[in-house]
Amino acid sequence: NAGVMQNPRHLVRRRGQEARLRCSPMKGHSHVYWYRQLPEEGLKFMVYLQKENIIDESGMPKERFSAEFPKEGPSILRIQQVVRGDSAAYFCASSPPSNPDPYEQYFGPGTRLTVT
Amino acid sequence: EDQVTQSPEALRLQEGESSSLNCSYTVSGLRGLFWYRQDPGKGPEFLFTLYSAGEEKEKERLKATLTKKESFLHITAPKPEDSATYLCAVTSGGYQKVTFGTGTKLQVIP
Repeated sequence: NAGVMQNPRHLVRRRGQEARLRCSPMKGHSHVYWYRQLPEEGLKFMVYLQKENIIDESGMPKERFSAEFPKEGPSILRIQQVVRGDSAAYFCASSPPSNPDPYEQYFGPGTRLTVT
Repeated sequence: EDQVTQSPEALRLQEGESSSLNCSYTVSGLRGLFWYRQDPGKGPEFLFTLYSAGEEKEKERLKATLTKKESFLHITAPKPEDSATYLCAVTSGGYQKVTFGTGTKLQVIP
């Protein structure tokens, strides 16, 4: 059973370019979460998605960031016009449907974004 | 807003020297508390979920316990391969939004 897959593992972008990060959840998982981890800081929740729906985006910056989880294909975290402060590790996690108890989230290996 | 505080920030142990990591939390209605292990350059690896005060779970040299205000991760006779950052996280309310602590960086010296 393949785990959560993320690509690319490393991404270098110049200021002003766009970054697209992809996440394929574990088989059977329908919930996807994105987190950002800055050096020496904890994981910060960004957004929670189900297929074709954004459930909670309270952790997403209001501008330049967007996320989707289409009916077919991976979840995408998109960062437009990147700035140096966007440099971080971005982790995706997935979980099975959680009715009624919360299920643990399984994390991918992360995408390390460097903005030059 | 949920809050998670982990202590100590860093811990250095000799191989075989048992110890405990602390996770204090403030939530409005705990639904679950999670422990993860994170190695450098990798994603967090799930260890345990605890749901209610008094609950305990074990895995090899690790044992997690939960009270109404905090959780402990006990490490018995640690080995160098237990060196990692251990993360505590909580979820509350109706969503799966998880709040993480900043972790305890454990180093086990041979």
